[in-house]
Amino acid sequence: RKEVEQDPGPFNVPEGATVAFNCTYSNSASQSFFWYRQDCRKEPKLLMSVYSSGNEDGRFTAQLNRASQYISLLIRDSKLSDSATYLCVRAGGYNKLIFGAGTRLAVHP
Amino acid sequence: NAGVTQTPKFQVLKTGQSMTLQCAQDMNHEYMSWYRQDPGMGLRLIHYSVGAGITDQGEVPNGYNVSRSTTEDFPLRLLSAAPSQTSVYFCASSYGAGSPDTQYFGPGTRLTVL
Repeated sequence: RKEVEQDPGPFNVPEGATVAFNCTYSNSASQSFFWYRQDCRKEPKLLMSVYSSGNEDGRFTAQLNRASQYISLLIRDSKLSDSATYLCVRAGGYNKLIFGAGTRLAVHP
Repeated sequence: NAGVTQTPKFQVLKTGQSMTLQCAQDMNHEYMSWYRQDPGMGLRLIHYSVGAGITDQGEVPNGYNVSRSTTEDFPLRLLSAAPSQTSVYFCASSYGAGSPDTQYFGPGTRLTVL
């Protein structure tokens, strides 16, 4: 079983839609989680950290459910510019990042 | 600041050739690492370094060597290239080993081994 698993998608949604991605992880001792965004053929960039209490950054909301070992990302009012691959990441020791394979989002007019 | 830079951007090698992928950062970061990204898979950690003179293996270290003689540079050496090493390679850095949420990635090197 992969340490971090994601639905690869693609999720095709119209502008203005709300879309949610889930990610499951297998290491119950994991402490830190993140969502990264990766545009086509570009480097990953940190979108947001994920806190146990849930956190919001504008149109983006991240949730962590430790009991069920999953993380979610909710994007409201989708924009064309949100089209990208979203990577679920957990941090291991010494800043080692363990990446999921990513979920592709395509927002269309 | 230039951030994290990687050279070359693209490289084609023949099986058995060796080469060095360069990575440099100008942010005085202690922690640096190398990942590879293959289609349908997440980025996987090859090697990492928590400071000058200190390196360690990640998840997929076979076929790669690293050294960290300065804080700024963290080159990745392919000893004898194989087609299985065709991938996109990303270098990353962060201030310290306890700050996973401030890792910065370079633009990547796209390597093809024929």
